[in-house]
Amino acid sequence: GQNIDQPTEMTATEGAIVQINCTYQTSGFNGLFWYQQHAGEAPTFLSYNVLDGLEEKGRFSSFLSRSKGYSYLLLKELQMKDSASYLCAVMDSNYQLIWGAGTKLIIKP
Amino acid sequence: GAVVSQHPSRVICKSGTSVKIECRSLDFQATTMFWYRQFPKQSLMLMATSNEGSKATYEQGVEKDKFLINHASLTLSTLTVTSAHPEDSSFYICSARTGQGDLEKLFFGSGTQLSVL
Repeated sequence: GQNIDQPTEMTATEGAIVQINCTYQTSGFNGLFWYQQHAGEAPTFLSYNVLDGLEEKGRFSSFLSRSKGYSYLLLKELQMKDSASYLCAVMDSNYQLIWGAGTKLIIKP
Repeated sequence: GAVVSQHPSRVICKSGTSVKIECRSLDFQATTMFWYRQFPKQSLMLMATSNEGSKATYEQGVEKDKFLINHASLTLSTLTVTSAHPEDSSFYICSARTGQGDLEKLFFGSGTQLSVL
């Protein structure tokens, strides 16, 4: 079966760095996405990785290792507004998105 | 960037009525649109995939006669929840993709919170 695993909840301090991990097992692979979702809102796109390596976008970076079925989202210089759920999703061979359950990130002052 | 407009954002209806949700791609043509629903504290669940001009493909367990999807043009897809019941209350989200060759161009609507009384 297809499976995406990520931690349920993480806590970090304002100004610090946090890494959210995601492991996956899917039927084929056409890229891995990270989304941010605030409560009651639709998820917003953060990053997309299809090749191995690190993609950096400002305070957010995403890493992918296809051989290990592993990705992480790195958030630097954390701000209170970064408190949200972070969703890992993999596009399978049929171009369908397989979603993880999300990681709730709590930022403390 | 590309924008996907979804409305209404919130709808409250009586049990037994039908509700239509629209999803529009405003500045690009979406060959494929996806419809998701999300229950509280759970991940998004894909309901169906709709391709312009053809019938939608429904995921297992999703009743196609209850959740009617129409993708009549390259910029508009609609989801109609027919004879809604309280258990249909959920957050419905659409996303639009420009084409299989542009994997990064996947954009989401703002979502519709449906409450059935």
